[in-house]
Amino acid sequence: KNEVEQSPQNLTAQEGEFITINCSYSVGISALHWLQQHPGGGIVSLFMLSSGKKKHGRLIATINIQEKHSSLHITASHPRDSAVYICAAPDKLTSGSRLTFGEGTQLTVNP
Amino acid sequence: NAGVTQTPKFRILKIGQSMTLQCAQDMNHNYMYWYRQDPGMGLKLIYYSVGAGITDKGEVPNGYNVSRSTTEDFPLRLELAAPSQTSVYFCASSSPLGEGPGELFFGEGSRLTVL
Repeated sequence: KNEVEQSPQNLTAQEGEFITINCSYSVGISALHWLQQHPGGGIVSLFMLSSGKKKHGRLIATINIQEKHSSLHITASHPRDSAVYICAAPDKLTSGSRLTFGEGTQLTVNP
Repeated sequence: NAGVTQTPKFRILKIGQSMTLQCAQDMNHNYMYWYRQDPGMGLKLIYYSVGAGITDKGEVPNGYNVSRSTTEDFPLRLELAAPSQTSVYFCASSSPLGEGPGELFFGEGSRLTVL
């Protein structure tokens, strides 16, 4: 099983701060997923990346395949960014169609 | 497009009852998944399917069954409900991309309480 670890587990920031959430995985993968779970429970896909960097608005995701590490950055954070952020990697050791999820990072952005 | 539709959104069951959680997607995705999420915890894979007629167990399959007779539908059956099955259930789908799943699309979740 591909072990996926996220840090930190909890993060509290003031509005406007730059946020970084980290994700490490144990087995080489083709692509890593970043998801966002809203306070109401809904889950949406933010990014899927296999190399380099992707940007969507104030969110930036980077990945280093050699180091098996990815980061999610939020610039100019806002209270509406408060959510749980989850990274997930394909479980190549069992079936590539399955994903292994990190435990999530609870982000709270205070006004 | 409706995306991934899950029903019901909420359900209360008595111990020993059975029910089926419905999941349908209209994106012609091959991969479909059922996850459960206990309070304050991460997603755990119950069952998944890589195409019609093909299903496989995930991490926590005990007490559940699935079928995939069509590409669109992936129902999850709970037999003999137990309090340990109280959870929020999410259905998700994707198309394959390279060696793994492509972008994931989630249903809104089904909150199940077993009393």
